[in-house]
Amino acid sequence: GEDVEQSLFLSVREGDSSVINCTYTDSSSTYLYWYKQEPGAGLQLLTYIFSNMDMKQDQRLTVLLNKKDKHLSLRIADTQTGDSAIYFCAETPGGAGSYQLTFGKGTKLSVIP
Amino acid sequence: GAVVSQHPSWVICKSGTSVKIECRSLDFQATTMFWYRQFPKQSLMLMATSNEGSKATYEQGVEKDKFLINHASLTLSTLTVTSAHPEDSSFYICSAVLAGGPGTDTQYFGPGTRLTVL
Repeated sequence: GEDVEQSLFLSVREGDSSVINCTYTDSSSTYLYWYKQEPGAGLQLLTYIFSNMDMKQDQRLTVLLNKKDKHLSLRIADTQTGDSAIYFCAETPGGAGSYQLTFGKGTKLSVIP
Repeated sequence: GAVVSQHPSWVICKSGTSVKIECRSLDFQATTMFWYRQFPKQSLMLMATSNEGSKATYEQGVEKDKFLINHASLTLSTLTVTSAHPEDSSFYICSAVLAGGPGTDTQYFGPGTRLTVL
């Protein structure tokens, strides 16, 4: 079945690195996404990774994908207070050409000044 | 680029009234839009898929007569909550699919609409 699991909470000190983990179940997922949601707002696409990649780096963000274990992680370097938000991992269970997303429950990141 | 807007951003209405929420893709055309519902401290629940020029596809358990969706143009989809009741109070978020965007067919999300039914 389709299921995306994330830990619910993460707390880090400003300047440290944050690592948010996600596991998914559908091996046919073509793309895996990370979205950020600030309080009272919609979702902002942060980054994505194609399923045939192991790693992708985009400025302070590093995405690691272990396809064998169906494990995805998002590392935020030099975490700032503005990074405090809920982070959603999402997969495309329908495979290539599918628009639909299955979301995890979200990880609330709290950054301590 | 790839900006999606929603209107209104929040609305309070009386029980029994209908409320219309608009979702617009501002700088791209979207043949497909999605409507989600999000309860406090929970993930997004897909309600329906809105396709331009055709009927929406509703997820199991979502009443299509209560949540009317109209995707009349390539940049606009509307969700009408008919005869709203307090249990319909929620945060409604739409997304629009940018064909050929980063990640191919990526969903870009609107800012959400907070509906409170008294």
